[in-house]
Amino acid sequence: AQSVTQLDSHVSVSEGTPVLLRCNYSSSYSPSLFWYVQHPNKGLQLLLKYTSAATLVKGINGFEAEFKKSETSFHLTKPSAHMSDAAEYFCVVGGFKTIFGAGTRLFVKA
Amino acid sequence: DGGITQSPKYLFRKEGQNVTLSCEQNLNHDAMYWYRQDPGQGLRLIYYSQIVNDFQKGDIAEGYSVSREKKESFPLTVTSAQKNPTAFYLCASSLMLGQGNQPQHFGDGTRLSIL
Repeated sequence: AQSVTQLDSHVSVSEGTPVLLRCNYSSSYSPSLFWYVQHPNKGLQLLLKYTSAATLVKGINGFEAEFKKSETSFHLTKPSAHMSDAAEYFCVVGGFKTIFGAGTRLFVKA
Repeated sequence: DGGITQSPKYLFRKEGQNVTLSCEQNLNHDAMYWYRQDPGQGLRLIYYSQIVNDFQKGDIAEGYSVSREKKESFPLTVTSAQKNPTAFYLCASSLMLGQGNQPQHFGDGTRLSIL
């Protein structure tokens, strides 16, 4: 069985400081993992995906994530937060059934 | 540009009324999905379809119905049997069902409220 846990429901950072959104997964086989972003009253937009190639995955808008099999983690990072990054972020495990995390809301303070 | 179009963006339902949410895609994807999103919660799967004229119940199908008469279209009907329909509804598509390495593409959602 597959599952995904986003470890923080809310994260608050100041503009210009690093962002870390944490995600742990469980899978009985090599997983496909995704991060999506959702702005208010919008659909989900794909930020990046991991599909067993390079463990460090670069995405759009300066985001990246590192797949760590030993820690069963796929944390999302960005070196410097921008006000426009304020949104909800979902970690997702792909498979026959797609499993969505509960989401992490990112607040960015000026 | 290819994408998914959901309409209307906002919808109001009266008691005892059925309403239909539209979802159209021009990505040539076989699989389509409907999700419900409530405040502070993740996405819950209502129905999914892997091919024309075939669809399956998801985790919360009660009070909803769908059809898949064309590859491009996957409308969702919220029936009067759904007692708590107020939510944000998202339609998505992917190349094929069960291809875990393929991402889903989402529309911009329909917000349904009770009058």
